[in-house]
This record gives sequence, C-alpha cells and structure tokens, in this order.
Amino acid sequence: QAVVTQEPSLTVSPGGTVTLTCGSTTGAVTSGHSPYWFQQKPGQAPRTLIYDASNKHSWTPARFSGSLLGGKAALTLSGAQPEDEADYYCFLRYSGVGEVFGGGTKLTVL
Amino acid sequence: EVQLVESGGGLVQPGGSLRLSCVASGFTFSQTWMTWVRQAPGKGLEWVGNIHSDGRVKNYADSVKGRFTISRDNAKDTLYLQMNSLRAEDTAIYYCMRNYYGDWGQGTLVTVSS
Repeated sequence: QAVVTQEPSLTVSPGGTVTLTCGSTTGAVTSGHSPYWFQQKPGQAPRTLIYDASNKHSWTPARFSGSLLGGKAALTLSGAQPEDEADYYCFLRYSGVGEVFGGGTKLTVL
Repeated sequence: EVQLVESGGGLVQPGGSLRLSCVASGFTFSQTWMTWVRQAPGKGLEWVGNIHSDGRVKNYADSVKGRFTISRDNAKDTLYLQMNSLRAEDTAIYYCMRNYYGDWGQGTLVTVSS
C-alpha cells in the first residue's frame, strides 16, 4: 500500500514563506493523483484549501498556492499570518486502489 | 451552497453495529463520487473508503474491509456507512466528503466502548 509522506512539522515567521511537500512511496506525484491540501485547526472539521493540485476554493486565501514540484505536490504559503497556524494534510488518489492521506504537517507561525 | 450533514454517531459496544448517514445538498449528488474519512482522537485523518456516483464501484481501506459497507441513495441525496463488528480502534469522528471539490461535513462522533 502506498504511503504519502509529509514533513511532521514546520515553522514559519509571520510574513514569511514556507513550502509544505507531499510525496508518495510509489514514485513521483503527478496530476493523476489529483492532490488535495486540507487545513485543520483544533476542534474544527478539515477544510479544503487546494484541490486537483492547484485549484482554490472561494475561501482559500490568496497567499496559499498549490503546485507539483520535483516529483511532489507542494503547498506554498507566502506571507504567513498567525491564523495560518494549523495542521495541513495532503491527500492523493491512486487509480483503482483508493485514496491515502499523508500524516499531516503541523505548521507553527512564530 | 454545498452542505453535507452527517448523523448517526454515538456510543456502541465492541462487536456492535452502527449506520452513519450523510445528507447532501447544493450540488448534483447523483453525479459525484463520495468519500468517508475518519479521525481518531488526537490522530490524523484516515481514508475509510469511497463510492462511485452510481454506487456500483466501492473501495475500502484495509482496516475496515469486510466490516464496513458504503452505500448511497441518489433519490434521497444520502450517503451511508454501515459499520459492523466495531472495535475500540474504530472510535473516531467520521466525516463525509464530496470528491473533486473536497467539501466536508461537520462530522459525527463514534465511540466504541464497553
């Protein structure tokens, strides 16, 4: 079974830029995996920031962007705000097999 | 506005059964793959399984295969998760999610304990 890999934790300074990555033990992450990025704050349900690698919802702040980079999916936060402190999960689709979450990245804005 | 509302959670004894529902609105439910996700207390998100728009194709995580069944009633815009032979490790908040756009419900808590 595929394992989706994420950095366990990252720290960014207010106003700074950080990139979270999402890899797969089966090989390069491609658009065929339809990568999602979810944000979850304590006590809240997850919400989708990015779907299908780079598409944003109406509620996704402009400072977040999704891409495919070096064989991984990436979520870039440019101009971090204190309210961006949260857990971030990557989610990949494996055709004919199912879907897998990454273990999550705990992002600290400090 | 897309809405997904889960219900049916509660306290159940080990070995027991429970059926969760997820009522959808604001989009064409019958044309959409749907997914169940769960989150154990203090843990990350875990994919439970998904179902094709017409209900004929279903996929399950190994951890629930043979015990959980996903189904849907497109006439009622409702997704279901039938959970049998429940174990303590099935204790979690269960969420339904609309595929592609990734809309989420608020979740329903299932606690398996004697």
